[in-house]
Amino acid sequence: RKEVEQDPGPFNVPEGATVAFNCTYSNSASQSFFWYRQDCRKEPKLLMSVYSSGNEDGRFTAQLNRASQYISLLIRDSKLSDSATYLCVVNRGGGADGLTFGKGTHLIIQP
Amino acid sequence: EAGVTQSPTHLIKTRGQQATLRCSPISGHTSVYWYQQALGLGLQFLLWYDEGEERNRGNFPPRFSGRQFPNYSSELNVNALELEDSALYLCASSPLRPDSNQPQHFGDGTRLSIL
Repeated sequence: RKEVEQDPGPFNVPEGATVAFNCTYSNSASQSFFWYRQDCRKEPKLLMSVYSSGNEDGRFTAQLNRASQYISLLIRDSKLSDSATYLCVVNRGGGADGLTFGKGTHLIIQP
Repeated sequence: EAGVTQSPTHLIKTRGQQATLRCSPISGHTSVYWYQQALGLGLQFLLWYDEGEERNRGNFPPRFSGRQFPNYSSELNVNALELEDSALYLCASSPLRPDSNQPQHFGDGTRLSIL
């Protein structure tokens, strides 16, 4: 089983729609969780950290379910500029290791 | 605040040569991480440096090495280059605090092409 698994997509979504991605991780000792966004041939950029209580940043909502070992990202009122690959990222320990990346979910927002 | 900077942006080498990639972390960050992103693959953890020492390495052969300087900048060296080393090499930095889990911030990357 891969450490971090994501549906690669692509998700084709009309502008203004709501879209949700899930991600599962295998290491129950994982300590911190993030969503990164990566545009084509660019570096990953931190979108948001994911907290146990769930957190929201504008149109983006992240949830963590430790019992089921999955993380979700919800994007409301999607914009054309949201088109990108969304990477689910897990940190096994407080800085002691590199981040473990999922392969990403490709999102295409259509006008 | 200046972000993570990497150089060069692009690097073209031939098989058997050696490549050196450079990274400067965000000011105040002591940890530097290197990742490889080959075409069609996810990011793979290469190396972690903190306070001038190699703290951990991913599942890569010894010809991938590096170092961290007193100013926390870092070099990644790849010896005896092979065709499959062609990839985007990303450097990330974070402030290392054992009691917290800080996200990492990435540079623009160096695109290494092996001919």
